[in-house]
Order: sequence, then structure tokens, then C-alpha cells
Amino acid sequence: GDSVTQMEGPVTLSEEAFLTINCTYTATGYPSLFWYVQYPGEGLQLLLKATKADDKGSNKGFEATYRKETTSFHLEKGSVQVSDSAVYFCALIRGNKLVFGAGTILRVKS
Amino acid sequence: GAGVSQTPSNKVTEKGKYVELRCDPISGHTALYWYRQSLGQGPEFLIYFQGTGAADDSGLPNDRFFAVRPEGSVSTLKIQRTERGDSAVYLCASRNQGLADTQYFGPGTRLTVL
Repeated sequence: GDSVTQMEGPVTLSEEAFLTINCTYTATGYPSLFWYVQYPGEGLQLLLKATKADDKGSNKGFEATYRKETTSFHLEKGSVQVSDSAVYFCALIRGNKLVFGAGTILRVKS
Repeated sequence: GAGVSQTPSNKVTEKGKYVELRCDPISGHTALYWYRQSLGQGPEFLIYFQGTGAADDSGLPNDRFFAVRPEGSVSTLKIQRTERGDSAVYLCASRNQGLADTQYFGPGTRLTVL
């Protein structure tokens, strides 16, 4: 069945460091891919998405490119801030269901 | 407010009791979803409603779990004879029919079964 694998956390970075959170997926066909973020004490929010191969999703300085060759959708940001500290979830959609990875905790130190 | 709301935010119950969790979707959203998030894991799909009917309930773990959406808006997730393993955060999401992919999530209900 479909699945999503994310790098384990926590990831701890200093402010202004470069961020990469790896995400790979297993699925038939080419489902839309998503990154959701969960800030402390808040609900899941859609961060960005890509609906087809080679698409790049971007939002709030974060980017991810849909790579069908490597079945990956890695999340990147050039310069993280303390306010980016959160849990990040990679997901794909199959029919009407979102299939999530386990989540990666990001901690940014000032 | 404009977002998905869920009540209660926290629910503590004893093993064997019955609980109901409520979800108010974004106004006008015809699709509604329930997910369950265990500690340290990503959310897992439980059930999907299109309007009043359950279009896909393949994620419900067993027959102790049931959900309804009688008027096509508010939904209630019902758990009978709760077990300690049911402890988790239960998330609700809704989607506008015209935007096929984007689901908007509520803050969740944290259920603790003692």
C-alpha cells in the first residue's frame, strides 16, 4: 500500500541555518504530495503542495519539489527562524485519504 | 470563526465508557474527514463523509467506532466501550468540493482513556 517515510527527528538547528527534511513515498501512480506543519498548541496547517511531477510547492520561504525519479518530496528552507520550530508532516493523497509520514520535529535555537 | 472547530478539546474517560467527539466543519464544505493521531505518529485516516453519507469508513479500527453526519454539516465520532489503546488525538478536517486536494484541519480532541 501507499506509505510515506520521513527522516527521524528531532532536527535541531541554529537560527539562519539551512533546513532539509527528507521525505520519500511509495505509491502507485503520481499522487499529489503535501507538507503540513503543526505549531505548538495548534492544529495541522497546510504548508505547501505539489500536484504533479517536477512541480515545486512553496510558501513562507519553504520549498519542495516533486521528484518522481527518486519518489521524493524533500522540504527545504534557506534560513530558518525560531518561529519555524514545529512538527512537519509529509503526506500524499490516495483517493480522498491523506497518508501521512510520522512527522519530524524541528527545533530552532536563537 | 472561519476554521474547523472540535469539541471538547480534551476528554478524559474511564475504560469501558462511551464518548462522543464533535466536529464543526468550515461552512459550505461538503467533505468531512476524521483522523486519529497517536503519540509520535502521523494522523491515520478513519472515515470520510461526502454530504450526509459515509463514503469511505475503511479506516475505522473496529465496530466500537462509529461516526454520523445527519445534516451534512456537524459530525460526531462515537466510541463505545473505550479501551486504553483508544487514547489519541482525534482530528477532523473538511474540504471544499471545488478544491480536490486541500483538507483543512481542526485543533483536535485529545482523548485519554484511564
